[in-house]
Amino acid sequence: GAVVSQHPSWVICKSGTSVKIECRSLDFQATTMFWYRQFPKQSLMLMATSNEGSKATYEQGVEKDKFLINHASLTLSTLTVTSAHPEDSSFYICSARDPRASVIYEQYFGPGTRLTVT
Amino acid sequence: DAKTTQPPSMDCAEGRAANLPCNHSTISGNEYVYWYRQIHSQGPQYIIHGLKNNETNEMASLIITEDRKSSTLILPHATLRDTAVYYCIVPGGTSYGKLTFGQGTILTVHP
Repeated sequence: GAVVSQHPSWVICKSGTSVKIECRSLDFQATTMFWYRQFPKQSLMLMATSNEGSKATYEQGVEKDKFLINHASLTLSTLTVTSAHPEDSSFYICSARDPRASVIYEQYFGPGTRLTVT
Repeated sequence: DAKTTQPPSMDCAEGRAANLPCNHSTISGNEYVYWYRQIHSQGPQYIIHGLKNNETNEMASLIITEDRKSSTLILPHATLRDTAVYYCIVPGGTSYGKLTFGQGTILTVHP
């Protein structure tokens, strides 16, 4: 099956700094990727939809100036958490849809990135 | 997205079938039912999907009732590695590609 990777798998940063998380589709080209956030013992919450070559679409309540998304190529989307604060500590997960698949809701998820802001 | 209701947790003995129910009584005629699972500290994994016919793949079987208001995911021979949170999702037609995850069912497979 299709593979999606994320880097780094975990990161610790100091409050006020920025952190970039990469999401790559390894064996397919993804025109659309999705970013989710998951707090402990909670479900995944969709943050934004990342479209190659265009601006990301953010879900209601997600600050687009704080969570910068760039989808510059068909295999890479990045999420930058700017001026991170302890409340941004979470598990960030990306997903992508293989456009060759006929089922649009069959998505492939990355392994996640655990961000801890101290 | 059609609302789905799942039991918060279930237990299953290793080697036995795990039957995970999902209620989606507001589903409309052309909406599919999708199942994903998330093993602890990993990204979710697609399992199976269906419209109205029963479906089977190498991971599981999906039984959808005739009125389509509920479905059951069946893991025929559960193993310890099947311990995970299982999500039943019915995406709406206007949410192109977007998945909305509910609370899911925590399935614990014990020896």
